[in-house]
Amino acid sequence: DGGITQSPKYLFRKEGQNVTLSCEQNLNHDAMYWYRQDPGQGLRLIYYSQIVNDFQKGDIAEGYSVSREKKESFPLTVTSAQKNPTAFYLCASSMGRSGRGRWTDTQYFGPGTRLTVL
Amino acid sequence: GENVEQHPSTLSVQEGDSAVIKCTYSDSASNYFPWYKQELGKRPQLIIDIRSNVGEKKDQRIAVTLNKTAKHFSLHITETQPEDSAVYFCAAKRGANNLFFGTGTRLTVIP
Repeated sequence: DGGITQSPKYLFRKEGQNVTLSCEQNLNHDAMYWYRQDPGQGLRLIYYSQIVNDFQKGDIAEGYSVSREKKESFPLTVTSAQKNPTAFYLCASSMGRSGRGRWTDTQYFGPGTRLTVL
Repeated sequence: GENVEQHPSTLSVQEGDSAVIKCTYSDSASNYFPWYKQELGKRPQLIIDIRSNVGEKKDQRIAVTLNKTAKHFSLHITETQPEDSAVYFCAAKRGANNLFFGTGTRLTVIP
C-alpha cells in the first residue's frame, strides 16, 4: 500500500471550479482505478485504466474525467458538471496481467483525498 | 453486472466473541472474493481473499468461507479484539472485470 500515494489529503472547492486529484504508484502496476466513497455506502467505481493511454468509464463517470499518459500516474478531474462532488476519493492499482498472461486480482488502495465543496 | 449485498450493516460484539459478516453475489461466474478492512479516515486494507476453487481460507483469527451454489461468502473473526473495530467491505469479481463492493459492515468490539 505504501507504493500508492494520493494528494492532496484534503481539498476544498468552490462551486463551479474544476479540481484535479493526484494518484501516483511506484508498484509497476498496469491497472489503476478511481473510486468514490460516501458515508454509509460502499466504494463506487468512477473510472479505470488497464493500460497506459487507455481508460474506461465505471458506474458513476458523469462529471469526472481522467488521463493515463504515464503508467505510474492516473489523475482524476472533478468538473463543475459533477452535481454532488463532496466525498472521499480513493485511488487503487493492481498488477493487471501477470507474466503468465493471467489477470491478477488484488487491488491496493491509496490513502484517499477528502473533497469538500464550499 | 454483478450485485453484491452485505449484511449486517452494523455489528456489535463483546471482546473475545466471534463476528460473522455475510455477503451474497449475483453473477455465478464471479471467481474472486476479497475482504477489506477500513479504519476511520484510512484506506481500505485487504485482509483476506478467496478464489472460487476453494471453499474456505484461514489466516490466524480470520477466515472466509465460500458457498458457490448459494452464491454467498462470509467473513469470520474469532476472539475479537478492540482493534478489530472498523468497517469491513466484501467484494466480488469475475475474470478481468472490475471489483463490485458491498455497502460495508461497521463492526464495534466492546471491551
